[in-house]
Formats: sequence, C-alpha cells, structure tokens
Amino acid sequence: QQQVKQSPQSLIVQKGGIPIINCAYENTAFDYFPWYQQFPGKGPALLIAIRPDVSEKKEGRFTISFNKSAKQFSLHIMDSQPGDSATYFCAASPMNSGNTPLVFGKGTRLSVIA
Amino acid sequence: DGGITQSPKYLFRKEGQNVTLSCEQNLNHDAMYWYRQDPGQGLRLIYYSQIVNDFQKGDIAEGYSVSREKKESFPLTVTSAQKNPTAFYLCASSMGTSGTEQYFGPGTRLTVT
Repeated sequence: QQQVKQSPQSLIVQKGGIPIINCAYENTAFDYFPWYQQFPGKGPALLIAIRPDVSEKKEGRFTISFNKSAKQFSLHIMDSQPGDSATYFCAASPMNSGNTPLVFGKGTRLSVIA
Repeated sequence: DGGITQSPKYLFRKEGQNVTLSCEQNLNHDAMYWYRQDPGQGLRLIYYSQIVNDFQKGDIAEGYSVSREKKESFPLTVTSAQKNPTAFYLCASSMGTSGTEQYFGPGTRLTVT
C-alpha cells in the first residue's frame, strides 16, 4: 500500500528524444507527487510536483502527466539533452493526513546520448 | 544563503567504531529526515523528526541513532551494530512531513573498512 513502483530502471535516449518515466501507486490517500533529479555524488533536487486536481503540469521541458483513475503518473522530458543525464525519482505522500513522509520509487537512470 | 549542509562530504572509519554525520538547515523547517542510498536501491528512510526532541524510525533504523535537540540540527550516528554501514547518506528537511516540498543536502559518503 505504501509502495511507489517506478519503471524503467534505466533508459537510454538520443539527444532530442522524449524519455518517459512511469510511476504507479496503490494508496489512494496519496495526493502529492513530486519528481526529483539527482546527479552523481549530489543530493536529489526537486524538479516538478503535481497534485491530483490537474492531469498535467509543465515546467520548461519537464511535464508530469497524472492519471488518477489508473493511479499512475509519469515524467516526460521534451527535447532531451546530454545534461539531463541523471537519476530521476518519483515520490508520493498524502496531504494533511497525519505525518507520512514521502515514499520514493527506486529511481530511473537516464542517459541522453549525443 | 539558505539551505542544508552536511559534513563532511567523505568520511572513513574502521569497523567497530561509531561515527556521527552532521546535518544543519537554516530554512526554518520543522521536519528533518535521514536517508541511505546504495547503488540501485533508491532512497531508504532511516529516521525522521517532525519537531524538536521527537523522532520516528523509518524503514531501516536498526544500527542507527539520532537526536533533535535543536530545530536546525539532526545528527545521525552510525553505530557499530549497523552491519553494512558503507553508503551515501542524505539529509533532508521540509516545512511539514506530509505533502510539502522536501529539500536535500549534498550528502556524506561513508566508507567503513
């Protein structure tokens, strides 16, 4: 119930391609869904987050799509660049319902090749 | 300059020694967290604290201890009881525990030989 399942584990795309990373959850109390980007040897950085009152959110080249009925959400990176090569984590937590920390997916290692 | 600092960046210890990792934040956040990261394992929660003088075990608390005597500080002690302590340790903080933006420090890489 507390898990967030993330796929794929790793992904290689050509520069300019659109990598898509998917996450699925079971707990219907989850209603805050952030994505984090981590470069090797650094801490994760918050990239973009969505709440379930919208089905899509864009920030620059990064887009989250959210499907509440399927309990799935995904990250799309438009016009991917070699500098986007990093590990991406999805996460989820409930809003305002107790004190449940973020539950993280296991991460997706993205490589964008020129 | 607001943020989360972790020190040191690299730490080396001999097996059987306790070691304390530092985490300080000046974001005035109430909640703080410790995660462990191993290759291909994602982020695993060790301990978290919502307020001063209170903390809760995460998924992998065995062999670790924490304290929260000040709002801005949340040190983690890796004890000799931790069977496999070599890992990348990440500290994070947020305004609240649920549904709020969580910010991470730069991490400490601990190597125990």
